Amino acid sequence: GENVEQHPSTLSVQEGDSAVIKCTYSDSASNYFPWYKQELGKRPQLIIDIRSNVGEKKDQRIAVTLNKTAKHFSLHITETQPEDSAVYFCAANPLYGQNFVFGPGTRLSVLP
Amino acid sequence: DVKVTQSSRYLVKRTGEKVFLECVQDMDHENMFWYRQDPGLGLRLIYFSYDVKMKEKGDIPEGYSVSREKKERFSLILESASTNQTSMYLCASSRGTSGSNEQFFGPGTRLTVL
Repeated sequence: GENVEQHPSTLSVQEGDSAVIKCTYSDSASNYFPWYKQELGKRPQLIIDIRSNVGEKKDQRIAVTLNKTAKHFSLHITETQPEDSAVYFCAANPLYGQNFVFGPGTRLSVLP
Repeated sequence: DVKVTQSSRYLVKRTGEKVFLECVQDMDHENMFWYRQDPGLGLRLIYFSYDVKMKEKGDIPEGYSVSREKKERFSLILESASTNQTSMYLCASSRGTSGSNEQFFGPGTRLTVL
């Protein structure tokens, strides 16, 4: 079955700097890769996603890149702000499946 | 706007009790999921359902069962609660094969088993 690894587990950056979180997956048939943000005490919410037929997707300050050959994908946050502080989860969705396999999460702290 | 609700935000039960966690979604989604969230382990899938009366085991089904009698409601059952089931439980739903894969989460139930 699918296995998703995520690094780093914690990340601290200065406000205004960039943050990068990386995930690897094991099942080459996975075709959908969402990123969820979970603020303290709140539910996870989708912030960006990418499908396997696309190499990069951008939405304002966040972007996701996908390397299918190497089976890894990354979340990039530019010009970080204190409200970006949260736990971020990556996930992979196996082909023909509706369930996700999540990574263990990255706790991002943006220091003012 | 999709709304996923869970019956309790906090629950305290004793070892051996039978525990019911309820989840309701109001967007006619076909898929529903139960996860548990533990620090450092992320979101682990317990059970999911693609349709009414249908269920599939996830990665950690042991000690749990589920029920989906109506499309909008998905229940997680702990037949005999144990201390290692103390955790945050999150329910989610998604549209199904004909739509977006996006999963929408409920607010979570923090269960403590004493």
